[in-house]
Amino acid sequence: DADVTQTPRNRITKTGKRIMLECSQTKGHDRMYWYRQDPGLGLRLIYYSFDVKDINKGEISDGYSVSRQAQAKFSLSLESAIPNQTALYFCATSVSGGETQYFGPGTRLLVL
Amino acid sequence: QKEVEQDPGPLSVPEGAIVSLNCTYSNSAFQYFMWYRQYSRKGPELLMYTYSSGNKEDGRFTAQVDKSSKYISLFIRDSQPSDSATYLCAMSYLYNFNKFYFGSGTKLNVKP
Repeated sequence: DADVTQTPRNRITKTGKRIMLECSQTKGHDRMYWYRQDPGLGLRLIYYSFDVKDINKGEISDGYSVSRQAQAKFSLSLESAIPNQTALYFCATSVSGGETQYFGPGTRLLVL
Repeated sequence: QKEVEQDPGPLSVPEGAIVSLNCTYSNSAFQYFMWYRQYSRKGPELLMYTYSSGNKEDGRFTAQVDKSSKYISLFIRDSQPSDSATYLCAMSYLYNFNKFYFGSGTKLNVKP
């Protein structure tokens, strides 16, 4: 089984809808991250969490919210989806102080 | 100006060729440099990392950092079709691994 899983893998939604993307990990890492990837822009950090009680905004947090339900689970919500949130979303994990981030397989989101 | 610049390609080479992938950066405070490989429909995976100027070799892959020029490179020797992927450079400040600055990625195609 994959160490970092994301659900759903693909999602089509309409403008104005609320949507949640979920991330689970079995690596035992305390730090988790949400990124979005757009062509020509690379990976951009949306939110990151050091542990269940510590959540921080990244460079592009507007329009997004997150919830760290447990050490192993980190969810990303789009409260009212808009078309420019169409992107590939990745969850990643790392151990505290570790240099390496481990990425999930991604969720492809299309907002119509 | 983006902090990390990377030519998006695509770069197409014949099998067995030597491949050179490059990134430039603007922030001289970056001290940790990484290369991630991303296959189609997959999440990025760490390929190599280095802290210092100079070369670091791992099999067919060599990472090179020139801090004076703010320029990093990844060389792939004897390239294989299985090397076909998008290569992302990333960098961060030393001891602050929560924030990675990613290039936009270079798509490489190695033709049999």
